[in-house]
Amino acid sequence: NAGVMQNPRHLVRRRGQEARLRCSPMKGHSHVYWYRQLPEEGLKFMVYLQKENIIDESGMPKERFSAEFPKEGPSILRIQQVVRGDSAAYFCASSPSGTSGSWGKNIQYFGAGTRLSVL
Amino acid sequence: GQQVMQIPQYQHVQEGEDFTTYCNSSTTLSNIQWYKQRPGGHPVFLIQLVKSGEVKKQKRLTFQFGEAKKNSSLHITATQTTDVGTYFCAGKNDYKLSFGAGTTVTVRA
Repeated sequence: NAGVMQNPRHLVRRRGQEARLRCSPMKGHSHVYWYRQLPEEGLKFMVYLQKENIIDESGMPKERFSAEFPKEGPSILRIQQVVRGDSAAYFCASSPSGTSGSWGKNIQYFGAGTRLSVL
Repeated sequence: GQQVMQIPQYQHVQEGEDFTTYCNSSTTLSNIQWYKQRPGGHPVFLIQLVKSGEVKKQKRLTFQFGEAKKNSSLHITATQTTDVGTYFCAGKNDYKLSFGAGTTVTVRA
C-alpha cells in the first residue's frame, strides 16, 4: 500500500519560471492538503481539496499560486513566476475524510515533500 | 485565526535524561495531534488526543491533553539518539491542522 507520493523531490527554478508540484494521495484517500514549510518553521496550511473541488484555500497567496485535484491524476500545486521567497519545502498530505468522524479518518498522512529552490 | 505555540524551540538533551515540550493554542481544540520530523524528512504522525485530560503513552513518550483542551505536552524519558528530530503539535478544528513551530531536539551522547 503505497504512501503519499510527491514529485519531484527537489526542484530548482530561476526567478520568473513556473513550478509544478505533484501529489498522489494514498490509495482510498480522496482528500488532499498542501502545506509549506520554511526553514526552522512549522508547516503552514495552504489549501484543502477534494476531487475536482477546492474546499479551503485560505492559506494560499492570492497571486501566482493555484491548486487543483482533477478527477483523474494527481493533485497539482502550481506556482507561477516564482520568486526567491517561494523557496521552501512543500508537503502534501492526504486523508480518507476531511470531516470529524471516527478516529482513523482524522489523520493526515504526509508525503516526503518537494524542496523548491529558486535561484 | 487559531494560533498554536510551542516551547521550547530548541531542546539539547544529554542522552538518558528526560525532557518535556509544551504546546498551547489560542482557541479550544477538537483534538490535538503530534508529529515527528527527522532532519530532511517529512512529518510522521505519532498520536492523536481527543478527550479533555487525556494521557497516552508510547514506550518512553507520554502525551497529555489539557483539561481545557487548549494545551498539550509531550514528555520523553531516558532520551536516546533515535529521538533526534523536530516534534510538532498540531491543533485540529474540523479538517484544518494548525502546526506549532516545533521543538527541535538534539541529543548529546
